[in-house]
Amino acid sequence: GQQVMQIPQYQHVQEGEDFTTYCNSSTTLSNIQWYKQRPGGHPVFLIQLVKSGEVKKQKRLTFQFGEAKKNSSLHITATQTTDVGTYFCAGPTSGTYKYIFGTGTRLKVLA
Amino acid sequence: NAGVTQTPKFQVLKTGQSMTLQCAQDMNHEYMSWYRQDPGMGLRLIHYSVGAGITDQGEVPNGYNVSRSTTEDFPLRLLSAAPSQTSVYFCASSRNGDGEQYFGPGTRLTVT
Repeated sequence: GQQVMQIPQYQHVQEGEDFTTYCNSSTTLSNIQWYKQRPGGHPVFLIQLVKSGEVKKQKRLTFQFGEAKKNSSLHITATQTTDVGTYFCAGPTSGTYKYIFGTGTRLKVLA
Repeated sequence: NAGVTQTPKFQVLKTGQSMTLQCAQDMNHEYMSWYRQDPGMGLRLIHYSVGAGITDQGEVPNGYNVSRSTTEDFPLRLLSAAPSQTSVYFCASSRNGDGEQYFGPGTRLTVT
């Protein structure tokens, strides 16, 4: 079936190091959304990208949407302890309202 | 605005019991959806609705029913609970189905 894989599954970094998670879908997505989930919490929306090749920045976070609209990445510069959590990509398969979530990348930041 | 609310927060059921998980939103969003999240995994779509009176199946609909009689409410019914339905259930809403989703706090369900 349709799936969205994220790598890595886990990442431990020292505070101040950079972090990147990659999202790869088996099918074309209408748009890509990124969510952050803190332990014990619910997913919280970070950003949405719609156009192929789109790049957006939010302070230390940079998001990219691939040309084929099947992959995406999230890069965090100079991680902080507040960045701890699991990052998910998600999107509706093209032409539908059926969302697929990625498998998630769990980030741990060591002070 | 309360956003998206879910009740109950925790529930323990015995195999074969039925129950309804409640979800409500006060943002006048057309799109609502239900997900389940199993340990260490992403969210999987159970059912979704693009407006009152309209529902459709997601990736894992078996064993669950939904209805959408009002814009605000989107209850999820477990017909005959099974241990495989032990999970955390999240309800979400968005304005029109292709934008930011707002999630409720979740319901942690255990089926013994």
